[in-house]
Amino acid sequence: DSGVTQTPKHLITATGQRVTLRCSPRSGDLSVYWYQQSLDQGLQFLIQYYNGEERAKGNILERFSAQQFPDLHSELNLSSLELGDSALYFCASSANLAGAYNEQFFGPGTRLTVL
Amino acid sequence: AQSVTQLDSHVSVSEGTPVLLRCNYSSSYSPSLFWYVQHPNKGLQLLLKYTSAATLVKGINGFEAEFKKSETSFHLTKPSAHMSDAAEYFCVVSGRNAGNNRKLIWGLGTSLAVNP
Repeated sequence: DSGVTQTPKHLITATGQRVTLRCSPRSGDLSVYWYQQSLDQGLQFLIQYYNGEERAKGNILERFSAQQFPDLHSELNLSSLELGDSALYFCASSANLAGAYNEQFFGPGTRLTVL
Repeated sequence: AQSVTQLDSHVSVSEGTPVLLRCNYSSSYSPSLFWYVQHPNKGLQLLLKYTSAATLVKGINGFEAEFKKSETSFHLTKPSAHMSDAAEYFCVVSGRNAGNNRKLIWGLGTSLAVNP
């Protein structure tokens, strides 16, 4: 158990809908990362937040957005869903101490199915 | 710029034989390097990490990796494969993004199959 929790575990929805994925980082970790993993594209980094602020952006679509709240949990919002958004979405957290390596701890993932 | 290349997308070994998963990296900085493992339908787990201490790094489940600066490699090995080692393995290098903040750069993964 990594200490990172994600809800829900599974989500099934229809095209055009909007969903919210939730992540709680390990206790004390300030950084949260979101990843998308699909069969055809592998593991793709989406976005990183550090202590409430956006720190880095990867291959995140404009239909997707995220935020990190004062209690450090994070939410990933996916809107106008398309079939191709079906994937496993991972959240990871790290301490992100200055000068330290970013060892990340991963949650179990949310499996999103868009029908 | 930093990059990481996993040289094999699929590796198949027999149970009890050695495992070698190859990873080359490129980095302008002294890199930190990681191997993560993902078992089927599971999340990712850190196997081991190199952070400029000993060049031979021991991880969980009997895995090791050796940092070779001259070859810019960080290959993952295990002397004897077990059926439970069948999984996807990711090599990762720590780099910096455009804002000079540290970020992880992920390889595309190597799928390890272990045959009885």
